[in-house]
Amino acid sequence: TQLLEQSPQFLSIQEGENLTVYCNSSSVFSSLQWYRQEPGEGPVLLVTVVTGGEVKKLKRLTFQFGDARKDSSLHITAAQPGDTGLYLCAGAETSYDKVIFGPGTSLSVIP
Amino acid sequence: DTGVSQNPRHKITKRGQNVTFRCDPISEHNRLYWYRQTLGQGPEFLTYFQNEAQLEKSRLLSDRFSAERPKGSFSTLEIQRTEQGDSAMYLCASSGDYTGELFFGEGSRLTVL
Repeated sequence: TQLLEQSPQFLSIQEGENLTVYCNSSSVFSSLQWYRQEPGEGPVLLVTVVTGGEVKKLKRLTFQFGDARKDSSLHITAAQPGDTGLYLCAGAETSYDKVIFGPGTSLSVIP
Repeated sequence: DTGVSQNPRHKITKRGQNVTFRCDPISEHNRLYWYRQTLGQGPEFLTYFQNEAQLEKSRLLSDRFSAERPKGSFSTLEIQRTEQGDSAMYLCASSGDYTGELFFGEGSRLTVL
């Protein structure tokens, strides 16, 4: 059974601090996605990682896919209040499987 | 392209009533997903379609839930005999390829009194 775990569940930091959130599984995924969700809205795709060891950067966000394609991390540099939201990782074991989501990391950046 | 559209955005109903949600995906997308989400949690998989074929339905889903996607276009999710535990946000997403990248609607929030 596919299962994605995320840590930490909650994170509250001051503006300007750095942070890392993690996504882990016992299964190998063909790709992993990271989404950000604000209250009352649907999740919005941030990035897809496909190759083991891959690193992608999106402005102050750095995403990494583990070598074994079982885990991923999201690092935010110099967090801003606009980064506040629920960060979700998601993936499917193969391109034919359903996409499942982790429980999310709720980030609050305090001005 | 107007994105994924869901309606109604909000539904308040009494326990025991039936409700139906509609999702219009991005027009060229062949995959369509339904998820349920409660406050502060990640989306929970309900079911998904490849064109008009329903590929999988969550085993956690009771027989009161049914989804259709006639002609591989829009989809409906019906909940019969609603219970208070059905109160949640119901999210629809579509995908145009096999990368797993999903595009979500704004969701339909259900409140069962």
